[in-house]
Amino acid sequence: KQEVTQIPAALSVPEGENLVLNCSFTDSAIYNLQWFRQDPGKGLTSLLLIQSSQREQTSGRLNASLDKSSGRSTLYIAASQPGDSATYLCAVSLMDTGRRALTFGSGTRLQVQP
Amino acid sequence: NAGVTQTPKFRVLKTGQSMTLLCAQDMNHEYMYWYRQDPGMGLRLIHYSVGEGTTAKGEVPDGYNVSRLKKQNFLLGLESAAPSQTSVYFCASRRGLDTQYFGPGTRLTVL
Repeated sequence: KQEVTQIPAALSVPEGENLVLNCSFTDSAIYNLQWFRQDPGKGLTSLLLIQSSQREQTSGRLNASLDKSSGRSTLYIAASQPGDSATYLCAVSLMDTGRRALTFGSGTRLQVQP
Repeated sequence: NAGVTQTPKFRVLKTGQSMTLLCAQDMNHEYMYWYRQDPGMGLRLIHYSVGEGTTAKGEVPDGYNVSRLKKQNFLLGLESAAPSQTSVYFCASRRGLDTQYFGPGTRLTVL
């Protein structure tokens, strides 16, 4: 059974710092990996999608990397801002029989102090 | 283009009552999903559908039923609500292996 772990569970940094969020998964047979942002009481917003054949994806100040063989992904946030405060969720899509659902980690709660 | 919508946004039930949560998407997606999110945890898959008229169980299906009579709608039913079903419920849809899009969630409390 696929398990997804995110470390740390919570992180507090001063504004302007660069930071890295970690995600690991136990089964490397994945189609792709997604990083989501969730604001308190809100739904999920997709940030980046990395296909299993890709090594990284970038969007603005965000960069996500994927090392499928070691079962790891990182989300790098450059020059953090208070508006980046949210919970970040990592999820993988398995090479199963066609369900194509996501298996989620429990998230990293980020707080950026002004 | 509204994306994925869910109704209702909030609901309080008493133990043993029943209710139906409605999810609608206007992106012509084949795949639809129901997840639940409990405090401090990631989302867990309840049921899913790979097309109109088809449904299947996810990881935590007990106590729930679903139906997909129309491609754009996916209904989640609770026949006899229990306090353990207090949670936030998210619906999602996707086309193939593309990005999965989520609705805003339904916050359900069972007393």
